[in-house]
Amino acid sequence: EPEVTQTPSHQVTQMGQEVILRCVPISNHLYFYWYRQILGQKVEFLVSFYNNEISEKSEIFDDQFSVERPDGSNFTLKIRSTKLEDSAMYFCASTSTGTDTQYFGPGTRLTVL
Amino acid sequence: QKEVEQDPGPLSVPEGAIVSLNCTYSNSAFQYFMWYRQYSRKGPELLMYTYSSGNKEDGRFTAQVDKSSKYISLFIRDSQPSDSATYLCAMSLLSSNTGKLIFGQGTTLQVKP
Repeated sequence: EPEVTQTPSHQVTQMGQEVILRCVPISNHLYFYWYRQILGQKVEFLVSFYNNEISEKSEIFDDQFSVERPDGSNFTLKIRSTKLEDSAMYFCASTSTGTDTQYFGPGTRLTVL
Repeated sequence: QKEVEQDPGPLSVPEGAIVSLNCTYSNSAFQYFMWYRQYSRKGPELLMYTYSSGNKEDGRFTAQVDKSSKYISLFIRDSQPSDSATYLCAMSLLSSNTGKLIFGQGTTLQVKP
């Protein structure tokens, strides 16, 4: 069964450093998402991406964040200068249409020291 | 008022019990309703997907949507210890072609053998 994969599973970084989180969505999907979950809190939407551009972003997704689909398979989330409060689980999701079910990856746990 | 409210629990039941999990929401424009299961430090796994009102059954799981009351439920029959997880409700707008999901807090369920 096809699945969304994410690397790395755990990333530890120093405050102020740049990090790139990687995702490989399900191959025939067209809509891609990033969500985050701070420990003990709810899953929050960050950004959606379709047709090589951002289609919607939340207020969390400020200028420190960017997304890219550098090739036909990868989807990345970059945080330019990490803050302590960026520590969270980051989930990638994909779907074939904008209203279909979203399939989530296993997540990347980001720890900012 | 929060957009989606869900009692975080924890909810502890004996094996074989019927479990009822619920969410309320404030935005009457939500049309797509989902239940995800999340094991500790893993990604959300889709359990049920419902459009608009009504019931949907899949094995031991039944999802109900009552749009007039802005209330959704997930019932688990003959609960098993392997059902122990956090259950997240999620919903999205008909008008959103990006499919952004709004999640509840999640309810932690423990099924005791």
